[in-house]
Amino acid sequence: AQKITQTQPGMFVQEKEAVTLDCTYDTSDPSYGLFWYKQPSSGEMIFLIYQGSYDQQNATEGRYSLNFQKARKSANLVISASQLGDSAMYFCAIRGDQFYFGTGTSLTVIP
Amino acid sequence: DSGVTQTPKHLITATGQRVTLRCSPRSGDLSVYWYQQSLDQGLQFLIQYYNGEERAKGNILERFSAQQFPDLHSELNLSSLELGDSALYFCASSESVGGAQETQYFGPGTRLLVL
Repeated sequence: AQKITQTQPGMFVQEKEAVTLDCTYDTSDPSYGLFWYKQPSSGEMIFLIYQGSYDQQNATEGRYSLNFQKARKSANLVISASQLGDSAMYFCAIRGDQFYFGTGTSLTVIP
Repeated sequence: DSGVTQTPKHLITATGQRVTLRCSPRSGDLSVYWYQQSLDQGLQFLIQYYNGEERAKGNILERFSAQQFPDLHSELNLSSLELGDSALYFCASSESVGGAQETQYFGPGTRLLVL
């Protein structure tokens, strides 16, 4: 079975600064996918970014990038130039036989 | 907007009752997944259907059942409801059977409150 650990229950960042949300995972599968989702207070789950276990380069999507360190089994999300609208819960997930989600990190962007 | 639709948005019911949650996947997606998100359990995978067939089962109670219809929409049936079933129920969809690289897109969720 796979497992995701998000050790930061809450994070604060100043508007326009960058922030890193931590995610470590555990799996014995050679092929897996790592995903980040954003859940604003309205409740919906929004897909942000994907990293495949065989991808050589770190994934990027606009202001989101994934710092993938396979040997350390970490897949940290980096949000650059934080905006007030980035305030939300962020979930890391791993896809093996099914999706396993972490417990989430609550990000608050301070004006 | 992910393209996944869920109805109703909110549902309030009493213990012992039965409810049905409905989900329409993104156009072209063949897999539908159901999740339960509660404060104490986090986001839990319940069940997956692929092209009408049950594909994978997670932490789904026996009081809960689901199905996927020929038009690929899915329904999650929750019966003999208990207070602890109060949660946000998500439907998600993906293109195919669900490999390691396949992204799931989530619907807006149905917020269920059992009184």
